[in-house]
Parts: sequence; C-alpha cells; structure tokens
Amino acid sequence: LAKTTQPISMDSYEGQEVNITCSHNNIATNDYITWYQQFPSQGPRFIIQGYKTKVTNEVASLFIPADRKSSTLSLPRVSLSDTAVYYCLVENMNYGGSQGNLIFGKGTKLSVKP
Amino acid sequence: DVKVTQSSRYLVKRTGEKVFLECVQDMDHENMFWYRQDPGLGLRLIYFSYDVKMKEKGDIPEGYSVSREKKERFSLILESASTNQTSMYLCASSFGTSLIPGTGELFFGEGSRLTVL
Repeated sequence: LAKTTQPISMDSYEGQEVNITCSHNNIATNDYITWYQQFPSQGPRFIIQGYKTKVTNEVASLFIPADRKSSTLSLPRVSLSDTAVYYCLVENMNYGGSQGNLIFGKGTKLSVKP
Repeated sequence: DVKVTQSSRYLVKRTGEKVFLECVQDMDHENMFWYRQDPGLGLRLIYFSYDVKMKEKGDIPEGYSVSREKKERFSLILESASTNQTSMYLCASSFGTSLIPGTGELFFGEGSRLTVL
C-alpha cells in the first residue's frame, strides 16, 4: 500500500495561497489521490480527488505531476476558517476484499493567521 | 446529504468493561470503516467492512472486534477495555463494491470520544 508523507505543520496569513505537498513514491496504477480536511472535534471531510494533471473545484485545486509520485493541494486566498488538519490519502479504487482499506497519514496542520 | 451517525459523542468506561460503539449510515453504502485518532498519530484504521457479515483487519485490530449484521450498521466492540484504548473513534462509510469501483469519498461521523479509567 502506498504511504504518504506530508509536512507536519504550515503557517499562513489570510488572503494568501497555500500549497501543501504530499509525497507518495510507491503509488500504484490503480491509486487515486484524495485530500481531506478536519476541524477539531469533527470527522474529516472530503475536499478533492484526482488521478493525474490538475483537478479544480470550488474549494481547492489538486496538481499531480506526470510521475504521480507527489501531489500538491492548493488553497486559494485562505481565511481563518481554513485552519484545520489536511490529510493526503492514496486510494486503490478497486473496493472489496483486502484492497478496500484506506490509510491516512498524520496530516498537515495548517494555521491561518490574521 | 449522507449522514453517518455514531451512537455516543462521549463515553467514560472502566478498565475491563465491554464497550460497544455503534455507527449507522443512511446512504446504502457498501463500505464501512472504524478509525481511531490520537494526537500525533493521525487516523489509524482498526477494521473495515465491504459487505454485510464481512470484515477485514486494518492496521491496529488488536483488542477490537466488529460486527456488521445489517448493511447500514457497523459496530466496534472492545471486549475488555483498557486505558490505552482511550481515544477518539471515527466511523466512516463509502460507496463501492469489487464490481463497481467506489467514488473514493469517505463520509465520516462526528466521532465518539472514549475515556477508559
């Protein structure tokens, strides 16, 4: 199973763009990259998912280079409410049997300051 | 909206007690998961289930068991609670079977904070 490595913490200021990079050197052909956001005392919440190149939604963008060994979550113009822990997850999309388990890393604690 | 409901937000139990943590989802999801979350360790997978009566061990199954008698309900059982099982427990569900690849989105409950004295 592909493991992920992320920075433990990051600091930013309101209005800045924040980029959080995740390393997943052992990613497999069937693996997708997914990012979750978690606020204190809540369960994680899905942000974005991608396989290659670039994916964008109303919340964030996800950049994945051609070799797929890393990915970058980009949060445009962060606000105080974006202060949270962000998890990068590599998922095998063939659910069922032993392929269905999903491994979270330790996440990146983002602190946004005024 | 998908709703994953965990039976208790906060529990306090004594060492040696049997503890049941219940989780119910209302979206007919095939897959259900139990994680525990501890400071500095992130989320660690305890058990997961991809179908009724099916279960698979995650990273840290020791000291836990699970039950999935109905599709919407996934229970985590601590047969004899110990102080090192004091933690936040998170249940999640997702769509997907071995025949139909999943969307990849996990839906989490609010969590159950268990304290074992």
